[in-house]
Amino acid sequence: DAGVIQSPRHEVTEMGQEVTLRCKPISGHDYLFWYRQTMMRGLELLIYFNNNVPIDDSGMPEDRFSAKMPNASFSTLKIQPSEPRDSAVYFCASSFLNTGNTIYFGEGSWLTVV
Amino acid sequence: RKEVEQDPGPFNVPEGATVAFNCTYSNSASQSFFWYRQDCRKEPKLLMSVYSSGNEDGRFTAQLNRASQYISLLIRDSKLSDSATYLCVVNGRITALIFGKGTTLSVSS
Repeated sequence: DAGVIQSPRHEVTEMGQEVTLRCKPISGHDYLFWYRQTMMRGLELLIYFNNNVPIDDSGMPEDRFSAKMPNASFSTLKIQPSEPRDSAVYFCASSFLNTGNTIYFGEGSWLTVV
Repeated sequence: RKEVEQDPGPFNVPEGATVAFNCTYSNSASQSFFWYRQDCRKEPKLLMSVYSSGNEDGRFTAQLNRASQYISLLIRDSKLSDSATYLCVVNGRITALIFGKGTTLSVSS
């Protein structure tokens, strides 16, 4: 079975550019999560969706970040404009039934903003 | 107080050693508890769930103390392949999974 699929795997972009990260959750999973990982802050929850509806976006750092889930099989995380401090690994994850269940991560999108 | 706190380590142990990691959490309403493992430059993966009565999975034993809001992971007979970062994970009744920053283990021969 296919796991969570993220793209791009690696991206290097210049400060001020727009960055769009993409995620396809595991088929049948009704929860989708976006996490960001840095050495300093560890894994931070940015936002999560249930049945395509954003439930908690309190972790989104600022207005430069936005996330959408137009359907059950696709989500995007957009940063506009990007800044060097956004450099991190962005993980998408999905789970089934409730937020207390095991979540499965994609391989991550490694973002570097120069 | 951070939601999930772990000793970052690193823990450097020889093969065959027993090592224990601890974790504390702040949300008394947390209902689900896990240990995840993350290899270098990889995504986190579930190691084991943690149940109220404690549970074992081979060389790994997890314990939960709700009164003290404390979770532990014991690894017996450490292998080189156990070298990784171990993430303590909890959730609340309505919140998504919150991850600790992880404890790094290095097992040497």
